[in-house]
Amino acid sequence: DQQVKQNSPSLSVQEGRISILNCDYTNSMFDYFLWYKKYPAEGPTFLISISSIKDKNEDGRFTVFLNKSAKHLSLHIVPSQPGDSAVYFCAARVNNAGNMLTFGGGTRLMVKP
Amino acid sequence: DADVTQTPRNRITKTGKRIMLECSQTKGHDRMYWYRQDPGLGLRLIYYSFDVKDINKGEISDGYSVSRQAQAKFSLSLESAIPNQTALYFCATGDGNNEQFFGPGTRLTVL
Repeated sequence: DQQVKQNSPSLSVQEGRISILNCDYTNSMFDYFLWYKKYPAEGPTFLISISSIKDKNEDGRFTVFLNKSAKHLSLHIVPSQPGDSAVYFCAARVNNAGNMLTFGGGTRLMVKP
Repeated sequence: DADVTQTPRNRITKTGKRIMLECSQTKGHDRMYWYRQDPGLGLRLIYYSFDVKDINKGEISDGYSVSRQAQAKFSLSLESAIPNQTALYFCATGDGNNEQFFGPGTRLTVL
């Protein structure tokens, strides 16, 4: 059973609008969450992260929100740009588990000009 | 130059063949990981190593083996490839903090 789930396999957004990518998890031991971005023919690259002691982390156009009670996190991209078109993976880590990451299935974001 | 490199980038092989995927890193990290990516399943951990003498099975290690030849090198082997091992394979490194750094991937097709 997947402990980290991204229920939307794809998302299409108009350039300039907000993109919201969602991620749900089941393991209450997860204490750190990351978002990775992946372009075709490349490996995933780290985008932004959040510790479980916070509920928001912002980095430029990217903001991650964490709702621990709902076991839900989301990535907001504002404004969306065509270069943001990629697959986004949510990942989670259990503290003291050797930095092991559990990944969601990914969401393909398409930003239309 | 890339921090994490993988060879080959693409490989087509036949059922029953032995194949090795190689990974090298210049980041100086002790920890290295092998993942496979399948559509809709994200990245799943095959094996990981925290130093040269440390090898651990991940979530889906059956049918795979690894070798940590040096701090900078971590190879993944399929002793007898089967079609359901067709996937994208990624190597990653980490320093024990939170972020992992990924190589460009190897696309493996087993016929």
